[in-house]
Amino acid sequence: QVQLVESGGGLVKPGGSLRLSCAASGFTFSDYYMSWIRQAPGKGLEWVSYISSSSSARYYADSVKGRFTISRDNAKNSLYLQMNSLKVEDTAVYYCARAMGGKRWFDPWGQGTLVTVSS
Amino acid sequence: DIQMTQSPSSLSASVGDRVTITCRASKSIGNYLNWYQQKPGKAPKLLIYAASSLPSGVPSRFSGSGSGTDFTLTISSLQPEDFATYYCQQSYSTLTFGGGTKVEIK
Repeated sequence: QVQLVESGGGLVKPGGSLRLSCAASGFTFSDYYMSWIRQAPGKGLEWVSYISSSSSARYYADSVKGRFTISRDNAKNSLYLQMNSLKVEDTAVYYCARAMGGKRWFDPWGQGTLVTVSS
Repeated sequence: DIQMTQSPSSLSASVGDRVTITCRASKSIGNYLNWYQQKPGKAPKLLIYAASSLPSGVPSRFSGSGSGTDFTLTISSLQPEDFATYYCQQSYSTLTFGGGTKVEIK
């Protein structure tokens, strides 16, 4: 079955860096746009970034532009999010998700990995 | 960015009730509207895409309608497993989500 498993979350100090990974299985990873979406504790959902199937196009929310970098390795069926210059407000559960319908909706989502930015 | 406003932010309902949640966009988004269900401690799950299409495996008691700026998610007969938070999401432009509607047991 289609599965996405995130890893790499943890506690980091403001200004620090972290790299998240998402391992995909059960579908042809290289055929799909992929995305990161986050959810601050007790809050709603916020789209973070998209990457096209070939990595030729990448999009970012204004809140992370210039600090986060999305990438993928189709040979390893893996998606990544490099997060630099982290801020307290980046604290959230980060989900990876497959983009469907010409990147219009997300299905499925991974179980999420928690990133906590605190001194 | 397009703002998505959901109402109500929470509601209490009983098993068997008909439940309606609305989502309003700050500008017209055609049918670029999706709905997700999220249970506590779990990832969101796609419920409705393109305003009214049901993914495979989603029970037929869920339905979506609307176009332009006003959209509705309806649960025809609320089941115990439907108590969750529901989010709308637009994909007409830079993706944004509504604030969520928490459906609680009455």
